[in-house]
Amino acid sequence: DSGVTQTPKHLITATGQRVTLRCSPRSGDLSVYWYQQSLDQGLQFLIQYYNGEERAKGNILERFSAQQFPDLHSELNLSSLELGDSALYFCASSGGDSSREKLFFGSGTQLSVL
Amino acid sequence: LAKTTQPISMDSYEGQEVNITCSHNNIATNDYITWYQQFPSQGPRFIIQGYKTKVTNEVASLFIPADRKSSTLSLPRVSLSDTAVYYCLVGDSSNFGNEKLTFGTGTRLTIIP
Repeated sequence: DSGVTQTPKHLITATGQRVTLRCSPRSGDLSVYWYQQSLDQGLQFLIQYYNGEERAKGNILERFSAQQFPDLHSELNLSSLELGDSALYFCASSGGDSSREKLFFGSGTQLSVL
Repeated sequence: LAKTTQPISMDSYEGQEVNITCSHNNIATNDYITWYQQFPSQGPRFIIQGYKTKVTNEVASLFIPADRKSSTLSLPRVSLSDTAVYYCLVGDSSNFGNEKLTFGTGTRLTIIP
């Protein structure tokens, strides 16, 4: 158990809909990262938050947004969903915000867009 | 940008030592090199991290040459349970100086009985 909690584990929705994925980081971790992993693809970095502020941004679509709340949990919002958004979405947390930090990953949310 | 390059796949027999090399030609001075292991439908798990020379823990060893433009993960005496995807991760600083922790495509290691 990494200590990172992601909900829900599975999500099935239709094209055009909007969903919210939730992540609770390990106790004491200030950084939250979101990654997308499509079938047989590597991990695509989406966005990072550190102590409530956006710290780094990857190839995140404009239809996607995220935030980190004062209690440090984070939410990833995906809107106007398309079939291609079907993927496993991982959240990771770390204590700081540099490459020296070890990332601890949650078990992911499997999103299926039908 | 410290883009990483790894072999797409490797096969090895049980009991052998496996070495997976990652190239990161543009690694920055402050970047650390970290390796992760991922099983299907699970999140990646930390294996080992280093900055230079050699690091060893109970699971693996990490060799980093002086120029730090590559690193080699060494798994001693692999077993079937080591079948997984292995990712090399380094920092990836944006123009604003903030690092994006970008994973490469990973190396799919298959252990053969």
